[in-house]
Amino acid sequence: NAGVTQTPKFQVLKTGQSMTLQCAQDMNHNSMYWYRQDPGMGLRLIYYSASEGTTDKGEVPNGYNVSRLNKREFSLRLESAAPSQTSVYFCASSNSGTGGTDTQYFGPGTRLTVL
Amino acid sequence: AQSVTQPDIHITVSEGASLELRCNYSYGATPYLFWYVQSPGQGLQLLLKYFSGDTLVQGIKGFEAEFKRSQSSFNLRKPSVHWSDAAEYFCAVGATGGYQKVTFGIGTKLQVIP
Repeated sequence: NAGVTQTPKFQVLKTGQSMTLQCAQDMNHNSMYWYRQDPGMGLRLIYYSASEGTTDKGEVPNGYNVSRLNKREFSLRLESAAPSQTSVYFCASSNSGTGGTDTQYFGPGTRLTVL
Repeated sequence: AQSVTQPDIHITVSEGASLELRCNYSYGATPYLFWYVQSPGQGLQLLLKYFSGDTLVQGIKGFEAEFKRSQSSFNLRKPSVHWSDAAEYFCAVGATGGYQKVTFGIGTKLQVIP
């Protein structure tokens, strides 16, 4: 039981390049989330998927797209990376589809640097 | 919309000393409250959570938190800190009613000195 896994762990991009961050969970959870963590800002929600087949914008969705590929997998895509997207990205999952009341389980994070 | 304030960005305590990390929240109804811990280079892990009932909540690793509605607070405590408790701690508030997200505080970084 690996919990929540993320790939890659580290990535360096040049401005304008694209990339996809992968996330998978093996806990049969319904909800999945993408956050970014920046110094002094805490965690900010980028996108979430309350259940398989649905996705919704969070607090800071601009510049990102997501795909809930199936119940296990939730990917985050940067179409044209910008230096402002330099951050640590966390994927999380939770059991129910009610978000605010659920314990979230986090992956180890992806450290992204955009030059 | 809910919000969370963690007034202390950085705290240093001596090993064996007691610890209290502050958290204040803003929410119109009874909140769902969480404390998460993030060890260096790791994702967040749940320490404890409060939904209802007893306002003193016990968590993992010897931590506890007390919900005080009158003060809109949910402070985290530990009687005796260990060096392995050095980490960043996040308070979070969740809302009910349909799908509602969790809002995280900015975190308090705990340094433990021998």
